[in-house]
Amino acid sequence: DAKTTQPNSMESNEEEPVHLPCNHSTISGTDYIHWYRQLPSQGPEYVIHGLTSNVNNRMASLAIAEDRKSSTLILHRATLRDAAVYYCILRDEGSQGNLIFGKGTKLSVKP
Amino acid sequence: EAGVAQSPRYKIIEKRQSVAFWCNPISGHATLYWYQQILGQGPKLLIQFQNNGVVDDSQLPKDRFSAERLKGVDSTLKIQPAKLEDSAVYLCASSLDPSGRAYNEQFFGPGTRLTVL
Repeated sequence: DAKTTQPNSMESNEEEPVHLPCNHSTISGTDYIHWYRQLPSQGPEYVIHGLTSNVNNRMASLAIAEDRKSSTLILHRATLRDAAVYYCILRDEGSQGNLIFGKGTKLSVKP
Repeated sequence: EAGVAQSPRYKIIEKRQSVAFWCNPISGHATLYWYQQILGQGPKLLIQFQNNGVVDDSQLPKDRFSAERLKGVDSTLKIQPAKLEDSAVYLCASSLDPSGRAYNEQFFGPGTRLTVL
């Protein structure tokens, strides 16, 4: 699976939008872009995934660059509960399924 | 829907002792994963089962770690003997699709925090 690059940490104010970037310049045409997050003392949880088009769900939006070499996870209104480590992961369509985690971005949310 | 259950939540042992962790995946989920997460790092896959067969155990230290999944449901992960560097959180995850397709969501348990003294 291809490698991703994320900032180590980011800060946000409560109720403001947050844009978490991820670079994946070596992405292949069959790589899906997944985002998981891990709240303190919990296991990771799925946030969103996409292939080419932008995606929205109840938790977040995923904006994928036209060349697919980067993507941005968007939290529309950050809450204190969104403070977590966010992982951007590429998974090939034909992969067996395991997730290869990097160090992720630690998001802090200030009241 | 009940989530992935793991026990115990915490375990403290001395080096060279043995320890076992238990995982009960979400009902009906064919694929089960064990990950190791060392402090400050992302989780790393140890072993992946599809039903009761092993799909990937390439990163499992087989001289001391073993895992089984009986009847394709519950799973146990054992360390014997433990080393100081085994101190970590051990996470169990499951997913529905037996093919493990790339868009398949994984559901994680809360993990077991192991401290080896």
